[in-house]
Amino acid sequence: ETGVTQTPRHLVMGMTNKKSLKCEQHLGHNAMYWYKQSAKKPLELMFVYNFKEQTENNSVPSRFSPECPNSSHLFLHLHTLQPEDSALYLCASSQVSRPDTQYFGPGTRLTVL
Amino acid sequence: QKEVEQDPGPLSVPEGAIVSLNCTYSNSAFQYFMWYRQYSRKGPELLMYTYSSGNKEDGRFTAQVDKSSKYISLFIRDSQPSDSATYLCAMSVRRGGSEKLVFGKGTKLTVNP
Repeated sequence: ETGVTQTPRHLVMGMTNKKSLKCEQHLGHNAMYWYKQSAKKPLELMFVYNFKEQTENNSVPSRFSPECPNSSHLFLHLHTLQPEDSALYLCASSQVSRPDTQYFGPGTRLTVL
Repeated sequence: QKEVEQDPGPLSVPEGAIVSLNCTYSNSAFQYFMWYRQYSRKGPELLMYTYSSGNKEDGRFTAQVDKSSKYISLFIRDSQPSDSATYLCAMSVRRGGSEKLVFGKGTKLTVNP
């Protein structure tokens, strides 16, 4: 595997379900990011982890819970989501010293029914 | 006023045309300017990176930054059907002690054979 991978690529869940998104980077980076991409809206930064420590929570609702066990893996745990949370969730990574140069995964297309 | 304005299009051109994509911004603190390309069902990939006013060329692509007018452009010469994608402008700014990317909404481009 190369670059940034994300699983699953597609996810459909009900509002009462609990699911997790997974991201893995194979680039030797030490910063990881979660973004939300909705139709006709700019990419929204959700969380930032530097050296597996959370350094940014961009006022994200608590129904989204990130986890970063090491610099290569990032999870986004989802529970009691709302239909408006349906979007493409993108993971990215970079060197901590170069947050201006981020590499993105393919994203997880999430649909909340 | 939004920090970054980008016309979402869609933009449709014939093969071989010169394409001009643009973003305007309001925050003079933006330091670095990027263009990302996002193919359908893929994550964004970094296409061009500039940090000063002027032009930067890479093959058929030219990125232009005009800091005095707060305006950036991406030109694609001899456009190809494989250039069909959504193009996102992004700018970096130091905020809250760390550097962040602020994205435009993206312009969807279709190059017709």
